[in-house]
Amino acid sequence: GENVGLHLPTLSVQEGDNSIINCAYSNSASDYFIWYKQESGKGPQFIIDIRSNMDKRQGQRVTVLLNKTVKHLSLQIAATQPGDSAVYFCAENRGIQGAQKLVFGQGTRLTINP
Amino acid sequence: TAGITQAPTSQILAAGRSMTLRCTQDMRHNAMYWYRQDLGLGLRLIHYSNTAGTTGKGEVPDGYSVSRANTDDFPLTLASAVPSQTSVYFCASSVGFSRGGEAFFGQGTRLTVV
Repeated sequence: GENVGLHLPTLSVQEGDNSIINCAYSNSASDYFIWYKQESGKGPQFIIDIRSNMDKRQGQRVTVLLNKTVKHLSLQIAATQPGDSAVYFCAENRGIQGAQKLVFGQGTRLTINP
Repeated sequence: TAGITQAPTSQILAAGRSMTLRCTQDMRHNAMYWYRQDLGLGLRLIHYSNTAGTTGKGEVPDGYSVSRANTDDFPLTLASAVPSQTSVYFCASSVGFSRGGEAFFGQGTRLTVV
C-alpha cells in the first residue's frame, strides 16, 4: 500500500549541532523523493529532492540520503540554526499524467535549543 | 513575484453552504494542485491539473470540484460543506513532473465548517 511515514514525530537539537530526520517509505515505484519544510502558519517549502537512481544529494547545508534496500530516506542539516525550526515532511513523487502526485508523510517537528 | 496567492486566508462556513477557495499563480506553471492538511495526517491531494483545460482526481476528491479555465487560476469549490471538510487547504503549482519534486505552495486557507 501507499505509506510514507516518519520514525520520530519530534526532534530537539542544540544550536550548531547537526540534525538528522528520518523517513521510511513502503512504495518503491516513486521516481523522486523529496523533503519539504513548513514553518508555522506557512505553506510547505521545497528543500531538496533526490531521484530514485541516486543514493545521495547535497544542497546548501542539507544532504539527503536514499537507501532503497531498506526503503529509508533521511535529511541531514548541518550546523542547525534557529531558523531551521519547523516541521519537516518527506514525500514521494509518483507522477500523474505530466503532473506530480506528492504523497506526504506525517511530519517531524524540529526544535532548536539555544 | 507573488508566486501562489490564495483567498481567503480563513473562513467559517455553515454546513450545507457552498464556497469557492481561490488560487492564482504568476509563474506560468503548467501543473496546479489542491491539498488539504489535517493534524496527524500530513497533506493529501484533492485534485490536480496538469495543464489548462484538464483536471484530475487525487486521493480525497469527494465533496470537492475544480476547474482550470486558464493557466493562472485553479479554484476549488465545496458544493455543500460538511464538518469533516474543516481543514487547512493549500494550493500549489509546479513546472511539471519532469522537474522532480519541487512544488510551490501558497500560504493556505483555514476553513472551519460548523
